[in-house]
Parts: sequence; C-alpha cells; structure tokens
Amino acid sequence: DAGVTQSPTHLIKTRGQQVTLRCSPKSGHDTVSWYQQALGQGPQFIFQYYEEEERQRGNFPDRFSGHQFPNYSSELNVNALLLGDSALYLCASSSLAGAYGELFFGEGSRLTVL
Amino acid sequence: DAKTTQPNSMESNEEEPVHLPCNHSTISGTDYIHWYRQLPSQGPEYVIHGLTSNVNNRMASLAIAEDRKSSTLILHRATLRDAAVYYCILRDHRRSARQLTFGSGTQLTVLP
Repeated sequence: DAGVTQSPTHLIKTRGQQVTLRCSPKSGHDTVSWYQQALGQGPQFIFQYYEEEERQRGNFPDRFSGHQFPNYSSELNVNALLLGDSALYLCASSSLAGAYGELFFGEGSRLTVL
Repeated sequence: DAKTTQPNSMESNEEEPVHLPCNHSTISGTDYIHWYRQLPSQGPEYVIHGLTSNVNNRMASLAIAEDRKSSTLILHRATLRDAAVYYCILRDHRRSARQLTFGSGTQLTVLP
C-alpha cells in the first residue's frame, strides 16, 4: 500500500516565478493538507482540502493556492515566488472518517528560490 | 491554540529508556495530546496520542499528568533509528479544523 507521494522531490526556481507541487494521498484517504517547513523550524499549516474545496487555511497569503482533484490528489501552487518561500513543502493525508487520528505525511518537496 | 513547551534537545544512550517531557499548562478539557516525530529527510510520522489516561502502543508510551498540564513520551529502549525531532501537539477534537500546530520540538540524539 503506497503511502503519501509527492513530486517533485527537489526543485529550484528564481524570484517571481511560479511553482506547482503535487501530492497523491494514501489509499483510502480523502483529505489533503499542505504544510511549509522552513529550515530548523516545525511545519506550518497552509491549507486543507476536502471534497475538492479548501476547508481550512493557515496564515499564508493568496499567492499560495491549491486544488484537489476527484481522485483526491492535490496540487499546491505558489505565485510570485520570494526568497522566503524556500522551504520543504509537506503534504499530509487523512480520512475524514478518522478525523482525529493520525495524519500521514509525504517526504516533501524541497523548494529553493534563488 | 494552547501552546506546548519542550526542551530544544536531549541525548540518550542506545538501548536505554528515554523520557521526553512536554508542558502544556493552558490545555483545555477537549485538547488531546498528540506526538509526532520527524526523522532526518522525512516527513513527520505519528507516534501516539491520548486525552487523560496513559497510552501504550508498539512505538512508545504516553504518560499524562493527573492535572493534564504536562505529559511525557517514553521510548522504552532507544535505538539509533529513534534519533529525530519529537513534536508534542495539542489538538482540539471539537473543532472542525484538523490541522496540526507544530512547535519547534525536541531534537533527540541517540548515542551508540
């Protein structure tokens, strides 16, 4: 049973560019959340998707947007990249039915903005 | 959200027990205590969670103080693979939001 898969694993962009990160949730999971982890810090919640809609959002600007597809996979888009957007972007999946149980995280996409 | 306080770092010898403390003096009655850990170059992984009673699973034990203002994650026999950042997180199970609010965690070093 595949866990949470994310792509790409590493990427380099320049300031002002746009980036799209992808996530496939664990089999049987219908909810996807995205987190940003700066170096040396804990992950910070960006937003959560369920039934193809953004359900919760953390303290991130509108440059961060997302999408969830009918197969529950998800994308995170970041526009007008800033140097401060350099971070590890983590996707986590869960089942709404098991809402207060564990979240399963992918290994992340490491974004470097030059 | 109620906050947690953890030591920045701890060391342990291999094959010895490890007690990782967490203070959460402003915990509310509906907050569950969750622990996640993050191994190097990996995403966080769930370890254990509890409300009031002590909890055990195959990975660890969670001891919760009677007043719930502190808790301790216990690794019964540390291995080198247990070297990771351990996060103690409070999660209100009443709220519709299900995100995790991570602090900076405790970096556990296991010495051979």
